Amino acid sequence: KQEVTQIPAALSVPEGENLVLNCSFTDSAIYNLQWFRQDPGKGLTSLLLIQSSQREQTSGRLNASLDKSSGRSTLYIAASQPGDSATYLCAVTSGSARQLTFGSGTQLTVLP
Amino acid sequence: DGGITQSPKYLFRKEGQNVTLSCEQNLNHDAMYWYRQDPGQGLRLIYYSQIVNDFQKGDIAEGYSVSREKKESFPLTVTSAQKNPTAFYLCASSIVGGKTDTQYFGPGTRLTVL
Repeated sequence: KQEVTQIPAALSVPEGENLVLNCSFTDSAIYNLQWFRQDPGKGLTSLLLIQSSQREQTSGRLNASLDKSSGRSTLYIAASQPGDSATYLCAVTSGSARQLTFGSGTQLTVLP
Repeated sequence: DGGITQSPKYLFRKEGQNVTLSCEQNLNHDAMYWYRQDPGQGLRLIYYSQIVNDFQKGDIAEGYSVSREKKESFPLTVTSAQKNPTAFYLCASSIVGGKTDTQYFGPGTRLTVL
């Protein structure tokens, strides 16, 4: 059964810092990996999707990498801003039903 | 505007009652999903449907039921058999057979059992 782990569970940084969020998964037979953002009490917004054949994806200040063989992904956020404060969730698509399996998230706080 | 709507935003239920959460999408997506989120945890799949009149159990289907009579609608009923229903419920939809598996999420319904 696929399991996804995110470290750290919470992170607090001053504004302007670059930071890295980590995600690991147990079964490397994935179709893709996604990073989502969730604001308190809200739904999820997809940030980046990396297909299994890709190594990384970039969107603005966000860069996500994927090392499928080692079961790891990182989300790099450059020049963090208070508006980046949210919970970031990692999810992988795997199995015959192409089911999404989520990590428990990293709660990020960027201090002004 | 295209998107997914969930109602109500907040729902209170007495023990022993069944309640139904609404999910509607106008994205013309074939697949729809229901997830449950508990504090500090990721999302867990309750049910999903890839086509009208067909649905499959996810990882935590016990105590829940769904129907898919229309492509646009995928209501979730939380029955009295669900022992700990207080949680945040999220509905999502996606294209089936597309190039990506991106799921689009609704704003969620917070259910509290009194």
